[in-house]
Amino acid sequence: GQNIDQPTEMTATEGAIVQINCTYQTSGFNGLFWYQQHAGEAPTFLSYNVLDGLEEKGRFSSFLSRSKGYSYLLLKELQMKDSASYLCAVRDSNYQLIWGAGTKLIIKP
Amino acid sequence: DTAVSQTPKYLVTQMGNDKSIKCEQNLGHDTMYWYKQDSKKFLKIMFSYNNKELIINETVPNRFSPKSPDKAHLNLHINSLELGDSAVYFCASSPTENTEAFFGQGTRLTVV
Repeated sequence: GQNIDQPTEMTATEGAIVQINCTYQTSGFNGLFWYQQHAGEAPTFLSYNVLDGLEEKGRFSSFLSRSKGYSYLLLKELQMKDSASYLCAVRDSNYQLIWGAGTKLIIKP
Repeated sequence: DTAVSQTPKYLVTQMGNDKSIKCEQNLGHDTMYWYKQDSKKFLKIMFSYNNKELIINETVPNRFSPKSPDKAHLNLHINSLELGDSAVYFCASSPTENTEAFFGQGTRLTVV
């Protein structure tokens, strides 16, 4: 079966750095996405990785290792507004998105 | 200038009823989707449609049916609603099948 694993919840301090991990087992691989979802709102696109390595976009970076079936999202200089769920999703060989359950990130002052 | 809009935002209805959720995108995207997000927050694809091909997740009951009057709209019809249908339903669109999806604000369906 297809599976995406992420930690259920993480807590971090304002101004710090946090890394959210995602491991996946899917039938084929055509890219990995990270989305942010605030409570009661729609998911919004953060980053996309299809090749191994690090993609940096402002305070957010995403890393991919296809051989390990592993990705992480790195958030720097954390702000209170970063409190949200972070969803990892993998596009399989049929170009269908398989989603993880999300990691709820709690930022404390 | 909302990119992907769906209505209604909240829907409370009784078991056995038939209901529809509307979705419109003004982004000119070729592909539209319906997702269900359950209480455990898993997003599950229900349908994807690119005005040529409808791909149905085989686990979706046939009480659910998408209707696309044109490229910019993909409505979701649900017949004989059941308690287990209670969830948040998201419409989304993307330029092509392999690009990121843009989501509507969601419809919280509660079946009582």
